[in-house]
Amino acid sequence: DIQMTQSPSVLSASVGDRVTLNCKASQNINKYLNWYQQKLGEAPKLLIYNTNNLQTGIPSRFSGSGSGTDFTLTISSLQPEDFATYFCFQHNSWPDTFGAGTKLELK
Amino acid sequence: EVQLVETGGGLVQPGRSLKLSCVASGFTFNNYWMSWTRQAPGKGLEWVASITNSGGSTYYPDSVKGRFTISRDNAQNTLYLQMNSLRSEDTATYYCTRWERAPHYWGQGVMVTVSS
Repeated sequence: DIQMTQSPSVLSASVGDRVTLNCKASQNINKYLNWYQQKLGEAPKLLIYNTNNLQTGIPSRFSGSGSGTDFTLTISSLQPEDFATYFCFQHNSWPDTFGAGTKLELK
Repeated sequence: EVQLVETGGGLVQPGRSLKLSCVASGFTFNNYWMSWTRQAPGKGLEWVASITNSGGSTYYPDSVKGRFTISRDNAQNTLYLQMNSLRSEDTATYYCTRWERAPHYWGQGVMVTVSS
């Protein structure tokens, strides 16, 4: 199975900050990497699919990049509603697998 | 608007069975693969099962293969997950998802607790 490693596990930041979350795959997953946001008590929500495609309705301050094994999610200017946990997910090879998540918390 | 509403969760003893349902609306159900994904309390996410739009093929990770069965009724816009031989490690919130090579839309989730 492909292992997905997210870093950092916890990130403290302030409103207005630019932040970068990382996701590393244990083998090449081409472009097949998605990012999800999950707020406490809610279902995950798709933000980015296939590395850099913004899901409909998601603000443009979210962006994704990377290829192969190394991927990033960038939030250009943090808003209060962005404090949540973020998961990456590979769908290049069965079984599809999630990272353990990065919790973005208010500094 | 895409809506996915799961039902059927609850407390069940180890070794017993439970069947989850998910009613879909707001899209043409038989055009999409569907899946179940779960999240143990305070833990990460795990893909559990997927089914093609016709229902002709299904996919599972090793952790549930042979115990869980995903199925669908396209006439009723409903997805199912039959869970047999349940274990304590199956305790989780189970999410119904519309699958486009990956989960794109999620239901609100239903809790399954496996405990004696």
